[in-house]
Amino acid sequence: GNSVTQMEGPVTLSEEAFLTINCTYTATGYPSLFWYVQYPGEGLQLLLKATKADDKGSNKGFEATYRKETTSFHLEKGSVQVSDSAVYFCASDSNYQLIWGAGTKLIIKP
Amino acid sequence: NAGVTQTPKFQVLKTGQSMTLQCAQDMNHEYMSWYRQDPGMGLRLIHYSVGAGITDQGEVPNGYNVSRSTTEDFPLRLLSAAPSQTSVYFCASRNTGGRGNIQYFGAGTRLSVL
Repeated sequence: GNSVTQMEGPVTLSEEAFLTINCTYTATGYPSLFWYVQYPGEGLQLLLKATKADDKGSNKGFEATYRKETTSFHLEKGSVQVSDSAVYFCASDSNYQLIWGAGTKLIIKP
Repeated sequence: NAGVTQTPKFQVLKTGQSMTLQCAQDMNHEYMSWYRQDPGMGLRLIHYSVGAGITDQGEVPNGYNVSRSTTEDFPLRLLSAAPSQTSVYFCASRNTGGRGNIQYFGAGTRLSVL
């Protein structure tokens, strides 16, 4: 069946460091791909998405490119801030359901 | 812009008590779902619905009931609360059809069962 695998956390970085959080998926067909973010004490909210191969989603300085050849959707940011500390979830479509990764906790130290 | 509204935000129950977690959305979404999130873990799907009158089980349905009498509302019922049901519960909704439909989440209900 469909699945999403993302790198385990926590990931701890210093402010202004470069961020990569890996995400790979298995799916039949060509799902849409998403990154959601969960700030402490809150629900999840969409960070960015891509609906077809080679699409790049971007928001708040974060980017991710839909790579069909490597079945990946890695999240990147060039210079992280303390306010980026959160849990990040990768997800893919399966009909009307979302298939979720386990989440990666990101900790940014000043 | 209400989006997905969950009530209550916090709840403490004793083992064996029953209660209903409320969820309402004002976006006319066909699909609604309930997840639980335990510390250090991701989301686990409890139940979902693809429209009024239609519900189905997710990954962890035992101990929970749902109904969908209207498009807007999707309550989650705990029949006889157990300590293993201590968790944070999220309701979510999204459109079906098309591609890239965003799933919207409520703020969560933090439940403790003593």
